[in-house]
Amino acid sequence: EAQVTQNPRYLITVTGKKLTVTCSQNMNHEYMSWYRQDPGLGLRQIYYSMNVEVTDKGDVPEGYKVSRKEKRNFPLILESPSPNQTSLYFCASSLSRTAYGYTFGSGTRLTVV
Amino acid sequence: GQQLNQSPQSMFIQEGEDVSMNCTSSSIFNTWLWYKQDPGEGPVLLIALYKAGELTSNGRLTAQFGITRKDSFLNISASIPSDVGIYFCAGHGSSNTGKLIFGQGTTLQVKP
Repeated sequence: EAQVTQNPRYLITVTGKKLTVTCSQNMNHEYMSWYRQDPGLGLRQIYYSMNVEVTDKGDVPEGYKVSRKEKRNFPLILESPSPNQTSLYFCASSLSRTAYGYTFGSGTRLTVV
Repeated sequence: GQQLNQSPQSMFIQEGEDVSMNCTSSSIFNTWLWYKQDPGEGPVLLIALYKAGELTSNGRLTAQFGITRKDSFLNISASIPSDVGIYFCAGHGSSNTGKLIFGQGTTLQVKP
């Protein structure tokens, strides 16, 4: 089944403790992206990647890092999480940057205390 | 940057009623997409619009790409309980980064 898989689905952590949220897609998509969803704000792009080893900042990149060493994986790294990073995170992929419409993962609900 | 304003923020309707929601922008968009998010899941694409003036249907859903390329609407006819969720408009704007810009979402509740 074609899908985007995120792990974990739920995570509670403490301020300052490094964490990684994994994302993997099995559709051979070039384009991958991370979004965060907050009430009243919709989804905002954190980082995106047009292909292996090509990543760039989205609208809200502060406090996050990403890497794209393989086509299928696009992990999101929070080096020192803070409470304002408590949010619902989605990984998404599409065939290319010009292909319309993303396939989303099921989300990771992160709470930083 | 480019923004999308979606309204209404929320709707509470009776089963069988029709629903309408819209999205506007101060700048031109090249595509308009409508997504639905079920509780606890990621957004799923409902309808994609590629040309100004385009009107597209998907079952009980109908969406239109505004002539000015600055707005879009989504209609749901004869709502049913499984229509409950958050509906997002989204669009590809002027950048060539592939970024999808999302509206704030419309939360729909349907009373049986």
